Amino acid sequence: DADVTQTPRNRITKTGKRIMLECSQTKGHDRMYWYRQDPGLGLRLIYYSFDVKDINKGEISDGYSVSRQAQAKFSLSLESAIPNQTALYFCATSEGGGEKLFFGSGTQLSVL
Amino acid sequence: GENVEQHPSTLSVQEGDSAVIKCTYSDSASNYFPWYKQELGKRPQLIIDIRSNVGEKKDQRIAVTLNKTAKHFSLHITETQPEDSAVYFCAATGSGGSNYKLTFGKGTLLTVNP
Repeated sequence: DADVTQTPRNRITKTGKRIMLECSQTKGHDRMYWYRQDPGLGLRLIYYSFDVKDINKGEISDGYSVSRQAQAKFSLSLESAIPNQTALYFCATSEGGGEKLFFGSGTQLSVL
Repeated sequence: GENVEQHPSTLSVQEGDSAVIKCTYSDSASNYFPWYKQELGKRPQLIIDIRSNVGEKKDQRIAVTLNKTAKHFSLHITETQPEDSAVYFCAATGSGGSNYKLTFGKGTLLTVNP
C-alpha cells in the first residue's frame, strides 16, 4: 500500500546537536508538510511544500529548516537542537487540490 | 491567522452514550473543517469533514455540524464504543491563499468506559 514513511521512529540527541528527520512517500502526492505534536497543544505546522521548488514557513518555523529533495522526499532539520524541541514530529502529504492529510507514523524526538 | 479553539480537553462517557466535541474558529473565510482521530501510539487519521456550504454531514455513528454564523462546528458520536477512545482533533483552513494549510485545535481525549 502507498504510504508515508518517517525515519527514524525514535531519536535521542543532545542540546546543540544537528539532527535531520526524514520523510518519504509513495502516494504520489505533490504536497508535503511537517507538523509537531506536543501534549495539550495539538498539531502545529512547521513547514510545508506544495512542490519541489516551493517551500513555505508554517506557524512555528524558528529553529527548523527543511529540504524538498524530490517529489517524494521532504526532510526536516534542527540546526542546533534545544530541549524544548522535544516532541512528536509528523510528516504528512496531500494531493494537489485536495485537503485530506495522510500522516506518517511519526518520529519521537528527545533533546537532552 | 486562523485560531481554532476546541472543548472539552478531556471527555469521559459510558459505553452507549453520546459524545460531543465542539470547536470554534476565528477566520470567517475558512471553508473546510475536518476531524482527525488519533488512537494511542498511532498517527492521526481523517474520520469526517465538512465544507462551508453544508450544515451537517453524517457517516454511520459520527456526524459533524457547522454553524457559519457563529463560527463553530461540532463532532457528534452516538452509541459510543470502547474503540472510539482516542484523541480527536478539529481543524480549519486558513485564509489569504493558504487553502489546505490546516490549523488544528488542541485535541480532546475521549475515553469510553465499558
